Amino acid sequence: DQQVKQNSPSLSVQEGRISILNCDYTNSMFDYFLWYKKYPAEGPTFLISISSIKDKNEDGRFTVFLNKSAKHLSLHIVPSQPGDSAVYFCAALYGGATNKLIFGTGTLLAVQP
Amino acid sequence: EAQVTQNPRYLITVTGKKLTVTCSQNMNHEYMSWYRQDPGLGLRQIYYSMNVEVTDKGDVPEGYKVSRKEKRNFPLILESPSPNQTSLYFCASSLTLSTGGYTFGSGTRLTVV
Repeated sequence: DQQVKQNSPSLSVQEGRISILNCDYTNSMFDYFLWYKKYPAEGPTFLISISSIKDKNEDGRFTVFLNKSAKHLSLHIVPSQPGDSAVYFCAALYGGATNKLIFGTGTLLAVQP
Repeated sequence: EAQVTQNPRYLITVTGKKLTVTCSQNMNHEYMSWYRQDPGLGLRQIYYSMNVEVTDKGDVPEGYKVSRKEKRNFPLILESPSPNQTSLYFCASSLTLSTGGYTFGSGTRLTVV
């Protein structure tokens, strides 16, 4: 049972435009949500996170929005750059005793020059 | 340089031949974890450890073993590898998952024939 879902396997965007990557989750007990970026032949790298008590977090060109009622979060990249082309993973954290991080299936973003 | 180092980067082995993938971190992190990445399935957790001598199963632990005798090392052991364990494996470590999640190693591409 996939608790964290990224329904779009891929996304193509023109350089300079906005990229919106989406993620849905099923468990209302998650404490934090994180986005990771992964280039080929490298491990995932942390990008941005948001606490479940917030609805927005911004870091430079990257903004994450959380809609708890819809169990949905999104990552906005503005403006998109060719170097942003990578696989993006959404992840959700169970806090407390288990401290377990659950990943989605990933979305391949291609930013066209 | 703060990093997670896993070895080897690439490994081809035969069914049933025991192997170990090593993982070491130099950041004094308490949390360590192993994930495997498969097409269409994202990153799935195999085992995790919250501290020395404390390990627990993730979502796909069958066919794997781990140990955490020292804080810095968290090897992944495949006692009798099978072709369905052909995958890309990532080791990761973290101080606190909520503030930045895991720092990942560069990955080990394992092929079992």
